[in-house]
Amino acid sequence: QKEVEQDPGPLSVPEGAIVSLNCTYSNSAFQYFMWYRQYSRKGPELLMYTYSSGNKEDGRFTAQVDKSSKYISLFIRDSQPSDSATYLCAIGGRGGFKTIFGAGTRLFVKA
Amino acid sequence: DTAVSQTPKYLVTQMGNDKSIKCEQNLGHDTMYWYKQDSKKFLKIMFSYNNKELIINETVPNRFSPKSPDKAHLNLHINSLELGDSAVYFCASSQDGGGETQYFGPGTRLLVL
Repeated sequence: QKEVEQDPGPLSVPEGAIVSLNCTYSNSAFQYFMWYRQYSRKGPELLMYTYSSGNKEDGRFTAQVDKSSKYISLFIRDSQPSDSATYLCAIGGRGGFKTIFGAGTRLFVKA
Repeated sequence: DTAVSQTPKYLVTQMGNDKSIKCEQNLGHDTMYWYKQDSKKFLKIMFSYNNKELIINETVPNRFSPKSPDKAHLNLHINSLELGDSAVYFCASSQDGGGETQYFGPGTRLLVL
């Protein structure tokens, strides 16, 4: 079993739709949960960063962590064509833990 | 002002050659990383350095040798290039190691013919 599982998609939605992206992980020792966005031919950039269970909102983006079920989600409201990118979940922890990335989900938002 | 920069952006070379990729960060971070991203977009860590000291060395062929002359630079040298080395290599940095936000460079696209 991979440490982080993420459906690679692609996921295609119409403009304005609510997008739900998800990952599961296996090691409960991880404490930090991140979402990175990667545009084509660019490096990943941090989108959301959360610590422990709960929700975090930033504009149209909401990150959700459920540590009891080892499940992390990213919701995008009112999706825009400019949101078209690959979204990578990542988990990490202190004390020498390395950051583990999911495979990335390719999202296409159609105008 | 670029935070994490890599050179070159593109590298096309023949099998068996030796090549280097350079990375520099101006964020004052203590930790730098090298990642390999394959054609399926899977991002996998190769090495991590903290204050010029190697702290993560994943199962990478010893043809790959990182070198950190100072904490702002982390270079990657690859000997005897193979077809399977073709990928995008990303450099990244973070304030501390483990779980911290990482800042990525633009990537170096390596194509081995």
